[in-house]
Amino acid sequence: AQSVTQLGSHVSVSEGALVLLRCNYSSSVPPYLFWYVQYPNQGLQLLLKYTSAATLVKGINGFEAEFKKSETSFHLTKPSAHMSDAAEYFCAVSRSGGYNKLIFGAGTRLAVHP
Amino acid sequence: NAGVTQTPKFQVLKTGQSMTLQCAQDMNHNSMYWYRQDPGMGLRLIYYSASEGTTDKGEVPNGYNVSRLNKREFSLRLESAAPSQTSVYFCASSEAGTGNTIYFGEGSWLTVV
Repeated sequence: AQSVTQLGSHVSVSEGALVLLRCNYSSSVPPYLFWYVQYPNQGLQLLLKYTSAATLVKGINGFEAEFKKSETSFHLTKPSAHMSDAAEYFCAVSRSGGYNKLIFGAGTRLAVHP
Repeated sequence: NAGVTQTPKFQVLKTGQSMTLQCAQDMNHNSMYWYRQDPGMGLRLIYYSASEGTTDKGEVPNGYNVSRLNKREFSLRLESAAPSQTSVYFCASSEAGTGNTIYFGEGSWLTVV
């Protein structure tokens, strides 16, 4: 069975500081991994995804994530936080082969303060 | 530039009432999904339709039914609403096959009193 654990339900950073949102996954087969962002009262928007190509994945809005198989991790980073980054972020996993079903983590709410 | 459109956006139901959430996508996707979002639990898959004419249960199907009306439309029905079904519901779609991006609608806020 697959699962996703996001460490920290709330993360707070200063504007301009490094953003690090943690995601660990469990999967018995090679996974596909995703980060989605949700702004208040909106649907989810894809930030980036890993589909077994390059382990360092660059996404929109300056975010990137690195797939580390040995650590079963897919942490999301951004060098310098902006006020507009305040949102909820979800890590998700799907298995290679079979149907395209995403299993989501519980989410991390990012607050950015001046 | 509609993408995934779901209606209604807000609904209040009394316990025991029924209702149908409608969803349509204009991206010619084969696969469609219904998720529910609850605080601290992320999104959980209710039902999905890998292709037109097929539907399958997800993680939390109890109390729901779905209909894949055609390639564009995928509806979710609550036959007898319960307070535990108070949630935000998201419809989504994607190309068939794993690894493809899943595109989400704006959400439907449902309250059961």
